[in-house]
Amino acid sequence: DGGITQSPKYLFRKEGQNVTLSCEQNLNHDAMYWYRQDPGQGLRLIYYSQIVNDFQKGDIAEGYSVSREKKESFPLTVTSAQKNPTAFYLCARRGAQYFGPGTRLTVL
Amino acid sequence: GENVEQHPSTLSVQEGDSAVIKCTYSDSASNYFPWYKQELGKGPQLIIDIRSNVGEKKDQRIAVTLNKTAKHFSLHITETQPEDSAVYFCAASRETSYDKVIFGPGTSLSVIP
Repeated sequence: DGGITQSPKYLFRKEGQNVTLSCEQNLNHDAMYWYRQDPGQGLRLIYYSQIVNDFQKGDIAEGYSVSREKKESFPLTVTSAQKNPTAFYLCARRGAQYFGPGTRLTVL
Repeated sequence: GENVEQHPSTLSVQEGDSAVIKCTYSDSASNYFPWYKQELGKGPQLIIDIRSNVGEKKDQRIAVTLNKTAKHFSLHITETQPEDSAVYFCAASRETSYDKVIFGPGTSLSVIP
């Protein structure tokens, strides 16, 4: 899986709850990315981080937050402000060259 | 804004036949064009890429072609096998700006035994 671990594989959330998706990489790369995938659509960039303690918004950052306290970890929080959070979330490193296995989030 | 179109959205071929997927991009500054294969429930896997200084690249049964003038690029899979069945995505970016990778909507390829 491109040197990236994502957990959990499946996640269920009640409306109004925040939830955090984990992304870990073991290849000492600086750049990490979060993408969202919806059926029949290409991947869309949520957030990216080029270096520890710094991150930038992508095209669809509203309702999401991230942190980058350690080089190997880039967790994504889906907040209650995200209107339609049900989707497949993918973490990547080195731009979009290597992806993790993904987390499928379902809002109940 | 920047856009990548991809056709067809679904494609069925007989085992052993060839499959061709075509993409067009809008940003003339794009110079890096990766292709991904995504199997059900998994993350996309980079299978081949091409840079704007070459017109064609081949890797065993997979080849990509690029026409910069027309802003077209294509994926060709020869001698298809059932394990080639997956969703394929094209993408375009300026290689110095990996945060600006634009993906096509995907092509679902089915290889019928």
